[in-house]
Order: sequence, then C-alpha cells, then structure tokens
Amino acid sequence: QVQLQQSGPGLVKPSQTLSLTCDISGDSVSSNSATWNWIRQSPSRGLEWLGRTYYRSKWSNDYAVSVKSRITINPDTSKNQFSLQLNSVTPEDTAVYYCARSIVYGNEYYMDVWGKGTTITVSS
Amino acid sequence: QSALTQPASVSGSPGQSITISCTGTSSDVGGFNYVSWYQQHPGTAPKLMIYDVIKRPSGVSNRFSGSKSGNTASLTISGLQAEDEADYYCCSYAGSSTWVFGGGTKLTVL
Repeated sequence: QVQLQQSGPGLVKPSQTLSLTCDISGDSVSSNSATWNWIRQSPSRGLEWLGRTYYRSKWSNDYAVSVKSRITINPDTSKNQFSLQLNSVTPEDTAVYYCARSIVYGNEYYMDVWGKGTTITVSS
Repeated sequence: QSALTQPASVSGSPGQSITISCTGTSSDVGGFNYVSWYQQHPGTAPKLMIYDVIKRPSGVSNRFSGSKSGNTASLTISGLQAEDEADYYCCSYAGSSTWVFGGGTKLTVL
C-alpha cells in the first residue's frame, strides 16, 4: 500500500527557511493520476492546505494564496520524493506539517494517504 | 481565502444522530460540489470520510452521510458510536486549483 514518510528538522529560527521531505513508497511522484500535497495544522488555524506538485506530461505546482510568495514544492524523481520549502518563517508558521497524496474520487482530487506529520516550531 | 466555518464542538449520546455544519461562500462550498469531510483521532492523520459532498469511500460506514444547501455543507453521523469521537474537518475546492479547510469540530460521544 502507499506510504508517505516525512523527514526534516523540528526547530527553525525566525526568518529562516523551513525544509521538509516526503518519501513515497507504493506509488510514484511522477504518477499521472496523483498529486502530492503539503498541509499544515495548528490549534489557531486548524488544517490549512499549502500547495501541491504533480506531473501531467510536465511538472506543475499550485499554491495557497496565503503562502504563495514564500513557498516552493519540488519533486525529486530520482528519490521518489517531494519537498516543501517555506521561506522567511515566523512563529505563526509553527504547526504540524503533513504531506499527502491526492487521487481522483468521483469528480475531483481528494487526499487519501497522509504522512504521520512533523511538528515544526519556529523559535529563536 | 478564509477558512470555512464549523462549530467548535458538538456532542451526542450513543445511538443518536448528530450533524456538523460547514459554512463557506459562493466561491468555495456554494460554487462547487467538491466538498469533503475528514475524521481525525488524536495524534493521527486525517482520514477521508466523504467526498463530492455526498459520496463515501469504500470502507467508510454508511452511518456517515453528507449534504449541501447553498453555501453550507453538512456531515451527519447516525447511530453514534464511541469510536466516532474525533475531530472532523470539512474541505472545499475554492477555485484556481486551491482548497480550503474548515476550522474543525470536536465531536464528543457522551
């Protein structure tokens, strides 16, 4: 079955860059039928979709308006993984970060497999 | 994009039915039939329970059902069981290839 394994540092200093990686097993980051997402969760904001990457004859990305100026999601086909970079972090970026796969159910893409989550604290 | 509005908490006794609302705008919930619901137990990742407003993935109990009227979607759980106690989140497509979640509702089974 599909599994997602997240990795990355749990503590990031303000103004620095948050970097996380999500290793995929049981599927391919280059799949033509999946998209690969990052979502975060905090007590104050609940769940927040951050963005996704996907391959449909070429690589594409979509990002949430709230983070669009600071976020990059990249695939790595050689390692079958995808990554999240969030620049210029502040304490408001403190959250549990999840990677997730979306596939088509019915008429749209829905997140059906999630990583276990990584707690990220932004603090000096 | 603002988060969808859900009640902070709902409760019910075993065997009863409860409904959780999820209010958005015509730019998200009201504009598309792409509402989903996720169940999250403490310390675990969310689980897809409802998609396309009313559909259930294979393996999800038929005690869970979804609906929508205007800008408000709803999740109803009938025959409440102890294991239903969890946080529930709605999610809607919001146009321009973006998605928005609700703030979450804590369900307590009394």
